Amino acid sequence: GENVEQHPSTLSVQEGDSAVIKCTYSDSASNYFPWYKQELGKRPQLIIDIRSNVGEKKDQRIAVTLNKTAKHFSLHITETQPEDSAVYFCAATNSGSARQLTFGSGTQLTVLP
Amino acid sequence: DAGITQSPRHKVTETGTPVTLRCHQTENHRYMYWYRQDPGHGLRLIHYSYGVKDTDKGEVSDGYSVSRSKTEDFLLTLESATSSQTSVYFCAISVDGIYEQYFGPGTRLTVT
Repeated sequence: GENVEQHPSTLSVQEGDSAVIKCTYSDSASNYFPWYKQELGKRPQLIIDIRSNVGEKKDQRIAVTLNKTAKHFSLHITETQPEDSAVYFCAATNSGSARQLTFGSGTQLTVLP
Repeated sequence: DAGITQSPRHKVTETGTPVTLRCHQTENHRYMYWYRQDPGHGLRLIHYSYGVKDTDKGEVSDGYSVSRSKTEDFLLTLESATSSQTSVYFCAISVDGIYEQYFGPGTRLTVT
């Protein structure tokens, strides 16, 4: 089955700096890669996703890049703000598995004012 | 929030007792999922359903069963709760035809 590894587990940045979180996956058939943001005590919220036919996707200050050859994908947050502080999860799935998502273990991002 | 509710939102129960958690959706989506979330493990899939009476096991299904007799409800049962099942349980739905999954508000279960 799929295995997703996520690094780093904790990340602190100064407000206004960029943050990068990286994930690797094991199943070459995986073709959908979402990122979720979870604030303390809340549900995970989908913030951006990418499909395997696309190398990069941007939405305002966040972007995701995908390298299918190396089987890794990354979340980039620019101009970080205190409200970006949360736990971020990556995930992967393939179309033949009823959209079962396999999640990384999470990254606690802290944006220091 | 994709019309997903979970009940109860918090529960404390004793080891050995049966527990049923309910996930309810208002939009008749085909796919529903149960995950558990524990520190250091992210979210792990317990069971999922791809239609009424159609269910299958996920990564951590031991000790759990599910039922889906109506499109809108997906029930997760712990037949005999153990302390290792203390966790936060999230239900999710996948909108038909696309990959995105949306989560319910979660149920915090404590087994003493």
